[in-house]
Amino acid sequence: QVQLVESGGGVVRPGRSLILSCAASGFTFNAYAIHWVRQAPGKGLEWVAVISFNGDYTYYADSVKGRFTISRDNSKNTLYLHMNSLRPEDTAVYYCAKDETGSSWYGADSWGQGTLVTVSS
Amino acid sequence: QSVLTQSPSASGTPGQRVTVSCSGSSSNIGSNYVFWYQQLPGTAPKLLISRNNQRPSGVPDRFSGSKSGTSASLAISGLRSEDEADYYCATWDDSLSGWVFGGGTKLTVL
Repeated sequence: QVQLVESGGGVVRPGRSLILSCAASGFTFNAYAIHWVRQAPGKGLEWVAVISFNGDYTYYADSVKGRFTISRDNSKNTLYLHMNSLRPEDTAVYYCAKDETGSSWYGADSWGQGTLVTVSS
Repeated sequence: QSVLTQSPSASGTPGQRVTVSCSGSSSNIGSNYVFWYQQLPGTAPKLLISRNNQRPSGVPDRFSGSKSGTSASLAISGLRSEDEADYYCATWDDSLSGWVFGGGTKLTVL
């Protein structure tokens, strides 16, 4: 079955960088778009970014545009989120989520378990 | 402030029918599919309803979704204690070029 496993979270100082990974299995990874979604402690879900099945198209939330970069390596079935200039308000559990389509952005049908990022001095 | 509007809370007693609503605009709900997610305490979100009203395999038929214009609803019939969770609506927004979520509705089973 579909499995998404996030890793790379931890505690990081404001202004520093961090790279999250999402290892996928159980489906044809290179056929589907993948999202990053985050959830601050005690808050709701916030979409972060999406990448198309082949990496040609990416979209970002305004809150992370210019600081975060989503990418994928289809040969490794792995999704990444490069996070730069981190701020305390980026503190959240980060989930990767598989879209139902390759590039039509319908919505996610499977989610990982999440990885916690804490930005604090 | 979320792009999609949901009531912060809802409640019902076991066996009752409860509805969770989600209000948006022509650039999101009005022109794209709505998805509904259930998030139990301390766990990742789980897909409940896709493409407005499609129930994935394994989701009980007590859960149903509908959409009309720029609003969508999730109905839960035969309420059970294990339905106590947060429920989120989501859809793509053409103006924002991004996926948007409702603020979430916390369902309490009394």
